[in-house]
Amino acid sequence: GENVEQHPSTLSVQEGDSAVIKCTYSDSASNYFPWYKQELGKRPQLIIDIRSNVGEKKDQRIAVTLNKTAKHFSLHITETQPEDSAVYFCAATPSGGTALIFGKGTTLSVSS
Amino acid sequence: GAVVSQHPSRVICKSGTSVKIECRSLDFQATTMFWYRQFPKQSLMLMATSNEGSKATYEQGVEKDKFLINHASLTLSTLTVTSAHPEDSSFYICSAHQMTSGSTDTQYFGPGTRLTVL
Repeated sequence: GENVEQHPSTLSVQEGDSAVIKCTYSDSASNYFPWYKQELGKRPQLIIDIRSNVGEKKDQRIAVTLNKTAKHFSLHITETQPEDSAVYFCAATPSGGTALIFGKGTTLSVSS
Repeated sequence: GAVVSQHPSRVICKSGTSVKIECRSLDFQATTMFWYRQFPKQSLMLMATSNEGSKATYEQGVEKDKFLINHASLTLSTLTVTSAHPEDSSFYICSAHQMTSGSTDTQYFGPGTRLTVL
């Protein structure tokens, strides 16, 4: 089945810097890759997603890139702010299904 | 945006009792709902896929007789943890799958249920 690896597990940046989180997946037929932000004790919130027919997508300070050949996708956050501090999860949808397989998460800390 | 509710938000029960958790899609119909389990500082682990009107599909290692799932309508799925034990203590989160324009993949999560088994 699908396996999603996520790196790094923790990431500390200064306010205003950029943050990059990377994920790889194993099922070449996976076609949907969302990113979720989860604050302590709360539900995951979808922040951006990308589908396999697109290489890059941007929404204000957040962007996601997808390399289907290498089977990896990345989250880029620019001009980080303290409120960006949270756990970020990448996920992939295996072919033929709708369930999400999650990476292990990245704890992002933005210090002011 | 799509809203998913979950009830209760917290439950504490004695070992050996059963607990029912409800997941509702409030403003859309969800033919498919998912149940996840999340231990502290860990990722979300898919437990089962719940399809309206049919039996749930369980992930490997998840006991279907222990975690009973019922998807009674297009807006409601329930998870019952039977004969709960302390090791079942966890954060249980549901998600509902919403059809979006031209795509079939968007999932929206409920707020989660914190289960503590004494």
